[in-house]
Amino acid sequence: EVQLVESGGGLVQPGGSLRLSCAASGFTFSSYDMHWVRQATGKGLEWVSAIGTAGDTYYPGSVKGRFTISRENAKNSLYLQMNSLRAGDTAVYYCARAGTGGPLRGAFDIWGQGTMVTVSS
Amino acid sequence: EIVMTQSPATLSVSPGERATLSCRASQSVSSNLAWYQQKPGQAPRLLIYGASIRATGIPARFSGSGSGTEFTLTISILQSEDFAVYYCQQYNNWPPLTFGGGTKVEIK
Repeated sequence: EVQLVESGGGLVQPGGSLRLSCAASGFTFSSYDMHWVRQATGKGLEWVSAIGTAGDTYYPGSVKGRFTISRENAKNSLYLQMNSLRAGDTAVYYCARAGTGGPLRGAFDIWGQGTMVTVSS
Repeated sequence: EIVMTQSPATLSVSPGERATLSCRASQSVSSNLAWYQQKPGQAPRLLIYGASIRATGIPARFSGSGSGTEFTLTISILQSEDFAVYYCQQYNNWPPLTFGGGTKVEIK
């Protein structure tokens, strides 16, 4: 079964750091671009970061310089290191697999169940 | 940044009726547009990609159309399990990848 399982969420103080993990199974992890998407309670979806199969990384301006996405293909794992956290980073964080090939590339065909990050004092 | 605008914010529909959801892009995204369904407490699920291609396992009552800046998701005969929030997402020009604000389909 194709599956993504996030972990590492929790309560952190403003200015603190947290590292999220995403364990992939059921597919050849190294062959797919991977992303993080977040969702604040009651709000919409916000793209957070992406990493390509070659290790190239991408971020929106809201997290650039504070968040770092990485992958460890040997462990079928995706990570998100979050530093200088703010109250506005409070959200459920999902890892998602981007489809491969043609029109599917860039759409997220597999999602994890999410992990909650709360930034509060 | 490409801004995605969905309308309406809430759509009240009776089971068995047709639902039509709209998504507009601030500039052309060609056909690089996806639709997702999200139910409370669950992760989003891919419904449509390439503006009109149903993802694996998605029922035929879901259909997508459009290209450029105007897109539509149609649910032909609403079932009870279709009441959810629907998001569009462009992946033509990124970073950043951007989502619409969502349309909630509720029971009338």
